[in-house]
Amino acid sequence: ETGVTQSPTHLIKTRGQQVTLRCSSQSGHNTVSWYQQALGQGPQFIFQYYREEENGRGNFPPRFSGLQFPNYSSELNVNALELDDSALYLCASSQSTDRAEAFFGQGTRLTVV
Amino acid sequence: QKEVEQDPGPLSVPEGAIVSLNCTYSNSAFQYFMWYRQYSRKGPELLMYTYSSGNKEDGRFTAQVDKSSKYISLFIRDSQPSDSATYLCAMSEGNTPLVFGKGTRLSVIA
Repeated sequence: ETGVTQSPTHLIKTRGQQVTLRCSSQSGHNTVSWYQQALGQGPQFIFQYYREEENGRGNFPPRFSGLQFPNYSSELNVNALELDDSALYLCASSQSTDRAEAFFGQGTRLTVV
Repeated sequence: QKEVEQDPGPLSVPEGAIVSLNCTYSNSAFQYFMWYRQYSRKGPELLMYTYSSGNKEDGRFTAQVDKSSKYISLFIRDSQPSDSATYLCAMSEGNTPLVFGKGTRLSVIA
């Protein structure tokens, strides 16, 4: 059974640029959620994807967007990067939307300069 | 008041000690309770998963949920230096996203 994998592991971008982060869900899992974890804080929910549709969104602006593909992998896109977007971005997969257990990838550390 | 409160520590204990980590919460609709371990610069790893009230044991780890007090705990017996990490509590109503505490940083000293 393969776990959740994310790419890239580290990324440095300039303010105003755009970034795409990628996630492959765990085998057998059809639900992917994205979280942002600032330094010293717990992860904050960005949004969830189920069957290629957004299925819930946290308190993040529209410049945070995502996609889910037929193989359940997912992308997180952030436009017009701001310094405060610097964080660890985590992808979590679940067996379904009503299964609370979520398994996380190793994260992508984004630094905006 | 935040939905989930967790003392950030840091907590430092000698090897072999019993560690107690705790979270309180305000949302009585939470039904699912999880503990994650996060090593520095890594993703959270699911340690314990509990539904509703009660205890759950897995090796050296015991999770307790007291819904009447809105209080959950994680106990680590015979703590090891390899247990040094940040421990995050997380909760959900079931079909809602996880709500995390800030995490407690634990150091186990050999």
